[in-house]
Amino acid sequence: GESVGLHLPTLSVQEGDNSIINCAYSNSASDYFIWYKQESGKGPQFIIDIRSNMDKRQGQRVTVLLNKTVKHLSLQIAATQPGDSAVYFCAENGGTGRRALTFGSGTRLQVQP
Amino acid sequence: DTGVSQDPRHKITKRGQNVTFRCDPISEHNRLYWYRQTLGQGPEFLTYFQNEAQLEKSRLLSDRFSAERPKGSFSTLEIQRTEQGDSAMYLCASSLEGRYNEQFFGPGTRLTVL
Repeated sequence: GESVGLHLPTLSVQEGDNSIINCAYSNSASDYFIWYKQESGKGPQFIIDIRSNMDKRQGQRVTVLLNKTVKHLSLQIAATQPGDSAVYFCAENGGTGRRALTFGSGTRLQVQP
Repeated sequence: DTGVSQDPRHKITKRGQNVTFRCDPISEHNRLYWYRQTLGQGPEFLTYFQNEAQLEKSRLLSDRFSAERPKGSFSTLEIQRTEQGDSAMYLCASSLEGRYNEQFFGPGTRLTVL
């Protein structure tokens, strides 16, 4: 079936460095790709999304890149802070008209002081 | 706190018992979603409502599961004849119409079936 997956289960970075979290997707019909952050004991929190007709979108300290040729999505976090430590999930909506999100299995980001 | 709330936060039950969870979405959100999450995995979609109408259900939602949103506000998720495989975190989320990508999640209800 269609799936959204992540390359690395755990990413460890030094405080102040930039972080890059990668995700591969397989459903080319999706028209939105989204990144969520989940801290321990909490529900996922929306970070940023990107439409399938875009290849880059920037937010506050975060940038999402979409490469539809290789079905790859990445989240870049600038100047990573201890508060960024969490599990990050990419998700996709599966195509026009769908409202349910399909999540990947997550990457844990550990920020070392 | 005006975020999504869920009750209870934890539920321990014996196999075969019925359980019911409640979700209160953000008040102005007309869309409400249920997901299930197991350890180390991303949330898996179960079902969603627009106002009181249940518009989509996942194959994961077996006939032992039922969800309601009778007045278009809070929602309940009931699991009948629980099985050990039902042990998971059950997450509720809500969103504005037209902003379904930005779903606001509650803290979840952790279910343990003994």
